Amino acid sequence: QVQLQESGRGLVKPSQTLSLTCTVSGGSISGAGYYWSWIRQSPGKGLEWIGYIYYTETTYYNPSLQSRVSISQDTSKNQFSLKMRSVTDADTAVYYCAREDPSYCTSSSCQGWFDSWGQGILVTVSS
Amino acid sequence: ETVMTQSPDTLSVSPGDRATLSCRASQSVTTNVAWYQQRPGQAPRLLIYSASTRATGIPARFSGSGSGTEFTLTISSLQSEDFAVYYCQQYNNWPLYTFGQGTKLDIK
Repeated sequence: QVQLQESGRGLVKPSQTLSLTCTVSGGSISGAGYYWSWIRQSPGKGLEWIGYIYYTETTYYNPSLQSRVSISQDTSKNQFSLKMRSVTDADTAVYYCAREDPSYCTSSSCQGWFDSWGQGILVTVSS
Repeated sequence: ETVMTQSPDTLSVSPGDRATLSCRASQSVTTNVAWYQQRPGQAPRLLIYSASTRATGIPARFSGSGSGTEFTLTISSLQSEDFAVYYCQQYNNWPLYTFGQGTKLDIK
């Protein structure tokens, strides 16, 4: 059974860069079949999808965040990471990494549901 | 952006009774809807995908239905561990996945 675990700094100053890593066990991020996503949850905005990476290093981001966000992977460590630049108070949230099963496909893309989640990490933006 | 609106915000039900939770999409999402359960201090857990397919290990008392813009999650015979917050998610209208705001299921 796949397990995901987030790690990183829980306190970030405004205007700085948020950096988180997700370590995956019980499954490989190098194989086809799943996307590896970041999702956040805040009292004000609820659950918000941030973006995903596929083993080919293809990435997609929430259009509202894509100018500040990047997701990368380190297959040798079975990890994927999130960087979010120029953070503000509005970026304070619990950040989850999750595995997506992209089983619904159209002619141009595949999407799906999140079948495994990490426990989440609270990131607070404050000076 | 497809807005997912859940109702009610809070539902109070007695253990052993049935709970019916609703989710409405602002435009058609066919049957590309998933439901999640979130207990306090935990991550969301996948319950249902494709509107009506139970995820692995999910008890049969959980069922989903609907298509287009109207969806329902039904929990028959509520157990104590079912009192939690439930979210719907659409994955039909790319390039953005969106979630509902959640329904809190309370013990009556």
